[in-house]
Amino acid sequence: GQQLNQSPQSMFIQEGEDVSMNCTSSSIFNTWLWYKQDPGEGPVLLIALYKAGELTSNGRLTAQFGITRKDSFLNISASIPSDVGIYFCAGDSGGSNYKLTFGKGTLLTVNP
Amino acid sequence: DGGITQSPKYLFRKEGQNVTLSCEQNLNHDAMYWYRQDPGQGLRLIYYSQIVNDFQKGDIAEGYSVSREKKESFPLTVTSAQKNPTAFYLCASRRRDGGDSPLHFGNGTRLTVT
Repeated sequence: GQQLNQSPQSMFIQEGEDVSMNCTSSSIFNTWLWYKQDPGEGPVLLIALYKAGELTSNGRLTAQFGITRKDSFLNISASIPSDVGIYFCAGDSGGSNYKLTFGKGTLLTVNP
Repeated sequence: DGGITQSPKYLFRKEGQNVTLSCEQNLNHDAMYWYRQDPGQGLRLIYYSQIVNDFQKGDIAEGYSVSREKKESFPLTVTSAQKNPTAFYLCASRRRDGGDSPLHFGNGTRLTVT
C-alpha cells in the first residue's frame, strides 16, 4: 500500500525558534493535509492543500504542496509552548473512496 | 456547536469480552471512519462508511465490526477475536460532496483490555 515518510520523528526546540517538518511519498497525492494532535485528544486540521505548488498559511503555520505532488512541508514560525504536540501529514490519492494515508507523526517539544 | 462525540473517553474490559465504542456526529456528514492509533504509529483505518447501511473494510478490519443504521452514528465493536485491542480509537467524518472536504476527528476513546 501507499506509505508516507514523515520526518523528523521528533524535535526539541527552544521557544521562539522556527520549525520545519516534511512528508514524502513514492505515490502522487491529490490532497495533502496537516493535523496536530494534543495528548489524549483527536487530531485537529491545521492546513489543507489541494493544488500542486500551493502555499498556504494559517497564522504562524505555512504549508506547501510539492510541485511533483509527492511531498509537502509544514513550517511553524516563532514557536510557543502550546505548539507542543504530534503533527501528522496525510495524503489523499483521490477516487470515490476517501482513504487517507497518514504519516507516523512528528513529536514537537518546545522548551520555554 | 457541531462536532463528533466519542464515548466513553476511557474504557476498560476484560479479555474475551466484546466492547462497543460510540461515535455520533451532528455535522450532517455522509462519510464516517474508524481509525486505530498505537504509540509511535500513524493512524490505521479499520472501517469506513460512505452512506447509511453501507460500510467497507479498511486496512486492519479483522476482529472489528461496525454498523451504520443512522447517518449520525457509526458504532465500532471490538470483538474478542481482535488480538491486540488495547489502543486509542478515533472516529472521523466528512462530507461526500466534494474533494475539498477534509476529515474531522472526534476526541477518541482509549480502550484498555486486560
